[in-house]
Amino acid sequence: ETGVTQTPRHLVMGMTNKKSLKCEQHLGHNAMYWYKQSAKKPLELMFVYSLEERVENNSVPSRFSPECPNSSHLFLHLHTLQPEDSALYLCASSQETASGGVGVSKNIQYFGAGTRLSVL
Amino acid sequence: GQQLNQSPQSMFIQEGEDVSMNCTSSSIFNTWLWYKQDPGEGPVLLIALYKAGELTSNGRLTAQFGITRKDSFLNISASIPSDVGIYFCAGLTLVTGANNLFFGTGTRLTVIP
Repeated sequence: ETGVTQTPRHLVMGMTNKKSLKCEQHLGHNAMYWYKQSAKKPLELMFVYSLEERVENNSVPSRFSPECPNSSHLFLHLHTLQPEDSALYLCASSQETASGGVGVSKNIQYFGAGTRLSVL
Repeated sequence: GQQLNQSPQSMFIQEGEDVSMNCTSSSIFNTWLWYKQDPGEGPVLLIALYKAGELTSNGRLTAQFGITRKDSFLNISASIPSDVGIYFCAGLTLVTGANNLFFGTGTRLTVIP
């Protein structure tokens, strides 16, 4: 148990459906992340929320829409997905240090178990 | 983004053997991390390295932060069946206050009893 809980664990949806993935962290962290993990590819960072503000969006398609209502909860809203969006979606959290910091970082990310998404 | 080259991609070893895997990058990182991912689960942190040259152990696992800050290795001694899984290296750099963690492509370890 890493202190990061993701639901659902498995999701099958059609291309016209709308669904949401949920992540909750019980670690008191102030930053949360969404990653996509596809077979034989490195983990891809999708979104970062630090102190509840989105600080980075790596050109993820608009059919993925994140929401971070507070520091403990993170959602990923899905609509009109494509079959190539099928993957394991991982949530992570960390405790951010002050911005502009230089030197050794100890902002280790802790991951949830992921949601296995299949788009038909 | 930064690319991490992890090798080998996969390993098949006999139970009891030692394992070694490494990760290299063209970029410098402030922190190196090693994660293990079991099937159907998220990555779990094994070892964190914070300083160039640092050598850290966690049970049968030993990892080192390369002097150049561009590489790291992980050794597993006396492997057992539960060591099976995918091992990921990750380099962490602090950029404008955002936490950026870059992952290698993973080493898939199979332990034959």
